[in-house]
Amino acid sequence: QKEVEQDPGPLSVPEGAIVSLNCTYSNSAFQYFMWYRQYSRKGPELLMYTYSSGNKEDGRFTAQVDKSSKYISLFIRDSQPSDSATYLCATSNNAGNMLTFGGGTRLMVKP
Amino acid sequence: DGGITQSPKYLFRKEGQNVTLSCEQNLNHDAMYWYRQDPGQGLRLIYYSQIVNDFQKGDIAEGYSVSREKKESFPLTVTSAQKNPTAFYLCASSIGGIYGYTFGSGTRLTVV
Repeated sequence: QKEVEQDPGPLSVPEGAIVSLNCTYSNSAFQYFMWYRQYSRKGPELLMYTYSSGNKEDGRFTAQVDKSSKYISLFIRDSQPSDSATYLCATSNNAGNMLTFGGGTRLMVKP
Repeated sequence: DGGITQSPKYLFRKEGQNVTLSCEQNLNHDAMYWYRQDPGQGLRLIYYSQIVNDFQKGDIAEGYSVSREKKESFPLTVTSAQKNPTAFYLCASSIGGIYGYTFGSGTRLTVV
């Protein structure tokens, strides 16, 4: 079993929809949680970063962590075709330095 | 502007050849990483280095080699021992994993 699991998709939604992307993890030592966005043939870019449990909002994006159920979510409001990309979740323990990545979910937002 | 640069963007390798992928960063990051990404798959760690002159094998190091002679540079050599090298290769750096990684734009390697 992988330490971080992510549904590969693809997830196809109409423009303007609310998108929910999710990851589950198995290691309770993970404290730091990130979401990366990767456009086709490009390197991933850091989108959101959260520590421990709770919510973090940045514009149309909200990251949510539930450590009790080991569940990480990214919500995208008013989704746009430019949001079409692969979204990777990543986690790190308190010792830092190494990230563990999920396999990525491919999102397609149709006009 | 600070960043991480990978070159070349596209690389073609003949059977039996060694090729070297370049990765340079001017972010003053101590740690650097190499990942391989295959279509529809996540990132698989090849090698990482946390300080100059030291590096560690990742999950899929066989058929690859690296060096870390300078803080700014972490080149990856894909040797002829790597039987299936066609993939997208990503280099990343960080000041510590809790702050996330900065990725380069990747090198697409194809065996011809």
